[in-house]
Amino acid sequence: AQTVTQSQPEMSVQEAETVTLSCTYDTSENNYYLFWYKQPPSRQMILVIRQEAYKQQNATENRFSVNFQKAAKSFSLKISDSQLGDTAMYFCAFMKLSGSARQLTFGSGTQLTVLP
Amino acid sequence: DGGITQSPKYLFRKEGQNVTLSCEQNLNHDAMYWYRQDPGQGLRLIYYSQIVNDFQKGDIAEGYSVSREKKESFPLTVTSAQKNPTAFYLCASSIAPYEQYFGPGTRLTVT
Repeated sequence: AQTVTQSQPEMSVQEAETVTLSCTYDTSENNYYLFWYKQPPSRQMILVIRQEAYKQQNATENRFSVNFQKAAKSFSLKISDSQLGDTAMYFCAFMKLSGSARQLTFGSGTQLTVLP
Repeated sequence: DGGITQSPKYLFRKEGQNVTLSCEQNLNHDAMYWYRQDPGQGLRLIYYSQIVNDFQKGDIAEGYSVSREKKESFPLTVTSAQKNPTAFYLCASSIAPYEQYFGPGTRLTVT
């Protein structure tokens, strides 16, 4: 079974600054995807970024980037130039690619508050 | 517009009653999922379906049932056997094996 751990229940950052959210996971799988989702106060889950485990290059999406360390089973999210709209709960999620199921295993989340 | 709809947004039921949560998607996705979210926790998988007329139990399926008669629809029934049904329920769909897209959720309160 897979587990995903987010050790920072809450974080805050000043507007325009950079913040990094941590995520570690435990798996015996070799082929998998990792995701970061955000859940703003509306509670809509929004995909932020995806990383394929076979890719060595870290994924980036505008102000969002990841630091994927496969050997260390670490998958952190960096948010640059933080904006007030980035205030949300952020979830790290794991999806294994073996077998037919494609379920996501989520961490417990990190509540990020961007301060004006 | 393409997307996933869940209705209603808020649902209130008395203990002992079954209740069905709706999930519809017009994204032409094959796979659909139901998750439960409790305060301070991540999402946990209840059921998933990869094709019409087929579905599998997730990690916390006890007390829940689903059907998948149409590609667009994946309703979830919370039965009276579910001991702690009050939660936020999220439906998702995907073109496997890629990312899942979520609906806006239904907040169920059972008293």
